[in-house]
Amino acid sequence: AQKITQTQPGMFVQEKEAVTLDCTYDTSDPSYGLFWYKQPSSGEMIFLIYQGSYDQQNATEGRYSLNFQKARKSANLVISASQLGDSAMYFCAMRESPAYSGAGSYQLTFGKGTKLSVIP
Amino acid sequence: GAGVSQSPSNKVTEKGKDVELRCDPISGHTALYWYRQSLGQGLEFLIYFQGNSAPDKSGLPSDRFSAERTGGSVSTLTIQRTQQEDSAVYLCASSLKGGNNQPQHFGDGTRLSIL
Repeated sequence: AQKITQTQPGMFVQEKEAVTLDCTYDTSDPSYGLFWYKQPSSGEMIFLIYQGSYDQQNATEGRYSLNFQKARKSANLVISASQLGDSAMYFCAMRESPAYSGAGSYQLTFGKGTKLSVIP
Repeated sequence: GAGVSQSPSNKVTEKGKDVELRCDPISGHTALYWYRQSLGQGLEFLIYFQGNSAPDKSGLPSDRFSAERTGGSVSTLTIQRTQQEDSAVYLCASSLKGGNNQPQHFGDGTRLSIL
């Protein structure tokens, strides 16, 4: 089973509108971390926002906010007031404790990504 | 610079040749990760360093792949006898520590093309 699912291969949004990018996850670890990254066509992976499993409030960073619904295992990224420069691939990623993931480190597991296109 | 630096940006080589990819992490970051991004497989973990040691090599796809880190800083990923399926973007990331809440900061990657 996939640990990170991003169901939207591509999304379009009008400039200045808000957009929600979906992410669901699967883990039995009580202490996990969720991350969103942006990858423009130039290729660099840019860290956007982090949500810890024990955080009581939804994370926010400028125009980015994370709609964290723990019971539903959902961590959707909301971008407000979209700009042309927001056009990029967006990846949701999870980090689990090695004791639960079976991995040897706090490596990131990524979803397949959502390609966001902002229309002028 | 302040960010993670990777070199070369692009590498084209013939099948069967060896290649070395370099990563210079953010100063002071003790944890370093290598990932591979390809069209068919998405983003895959390769190896993790804490300081100079590699406690997690579980993602290396074959014994043709190896990596080292020296001085707790620069890391080199080596691919021997390259194959066409090795073509991908190789991304390096570093974090302050290897813990759960530390964001990993990525370099721009090395785009490797095997002819």
